[in-house]
Amino acid sequence: GENVEQHPSTLSVQEGDSAVIKCTYSDSASNYFPWYKQELGKRPQLIIDIRSNVGEKKDQRIAVTLNKTAKHFSLHITETQPEDSAVYFCAASGPGTYKYIFGTGTRLKVLA
Amino acid sequence: DAGVIQSPRHEVTEMGQEVTLRCKPISGHNSLFWYRQTMMRGLELLIYFNNNVPIDDSGMPEDRFSAKMPNASFSTLKIQPSEPRDSAVYFCASSLQESTEAFFGQGTRLTVV
Repeated sequence: GENVEQHPSTLSVQEGDSAVIKCTYSDSASNYFPWYKQELGKRPQLIIDIRSNVGEKKDQRIAVTLNKTAKHFSLHITETQPEDSAVYFCAASGPGTYKYIFGTGTRLKVLA
Repeated sequence: DAGVIQSPRHEVTEMGQEVTLRCKPISGHNSLFWYRQTMMRGLELLIYFNNNVPIDDSGMPEDRFSAKMPNASFSTLKIQPSEPRDSAVYFCASSLQESTEAFFGQGTRLTVV
């Protein structure tokens, strides 16, 4: 079955700097890769997603890149702000299945 | 739509008692997921349903766990008997179709003492 690894587990950056979180997946058939943000005590919420027919996607200060050959994808947050502090989860899903396998999460702290 | 609704929000129970968690997915969504979140293991998929049918329950940890989806608007996750190691936040999520956003409920924080 699918396995998703996520690094780093914790990340501290200064406000205004960039943050990068990386994930690798094992199943080459996976074709959908969402990223979720979970604030303390809240539910995970989708912030951006990418499909396997696209190499990069941007939405304001966040972007996701996908390398299908290497089976890894990354989340990039530019000009970080204190409100970006949260736990971020990557996930992968394949065709013919509705289930999402999540990475172990990255706790991002943006220092003011 | 009010989103995915879970109840109760918090549950404290004694070891050995039966616990039932409830979920109402977003209307029209045909997939429903139960996840368990702990610090040690992150977000674990326990079971998911498609069109009310259990598709994959390989994540259900033991026979003490069971889940049902009697209709498109309701699902339960039951633990009987409960144990302290079951303490976690349990999330229900639903999605409209394959490879689309999964919407999470607020979660149920379960504490077994």
